[in-house]
Amino acid sequence: DTAVSQTPKYLVTQMGNDKSIKCEQNLGHDTMYWYKQDSKKFLKIMFSYNNKELIINETVPNRFSPKSPDKAHLNLHINSLELGDSAVYFCASSQGRIAKNIQYFGAGTRLSVL
Amino acid sequence: SQQGEEDPQALSIQEGENATMNCSYKTSINNLQWYRQNSGRGLVHLILIRSNEREKHSGRLRVTLDTSKKSSSLLITASRAADTASYFCATDISGAGSYQLTFGKGTKLSVIP
Repeated sequence: DTAVSQTPKYLVTQMGNDKSIKCEQNLGHDTMYWYKQDSKKFLKIMFSYNNKELIINETVPNRFSPKSPDKAHLNLHINSLELGDSAVYFCASSQGRIAKNIQYFGAGTRLSVL
Repeated sequence: SQQGEEDPQALSIQEGENATMNCSYKTSINNLQWYRQNSGRGLVHLILIRSNEREKHSGRLRVTLDTSKKSSSLLITASRAADTASYFCATDISGAGSYQLTFGKGTKLSVIP
């Protein structure tokens, strides 16, 4: 029974397309995150929501738009995909909004933009 | 700029040996966490050490923290092939409203059977 699940696991698409990645957690947590991991394994925070409220919004192109319909779900929509968007995107969740809390990660979505 | 930096970037050892990875950071922190990432998987939390702690153990893992040097180390004793993974340190910067973890680039550990 997966705690943090992301779909799809792999996403291959053409430049200029719009795509979405979905994330769901069944841990009862109130905070969720999106991270981007580049080819050099550098993991960078993109967004965080606490109880559907956006609390972290790092310098990310506005082509990226997160949406949290409820505290168990956090989706990521990307418009006009570019080559540089190719990366692995991880969803994570934690109980509480402060950074000391342990984060639980999904398995990642590998996005390839051709 | 990056908060946490691990070294070495890559480490290869024989099964049964100990593995030591280091993490340095730039600003004062509340806590430091270590995570493991197996190939093609998400990160898994290993251990958290608070800024007022100097050493912490969990099974074969030993973490130290030296706030004066702004550094931490992760020691895995009696390594196993299953320990092969990338290891990341993550810090949360002290101060009010610290909501995010900043991850380093990781150390890729290979344990040869």
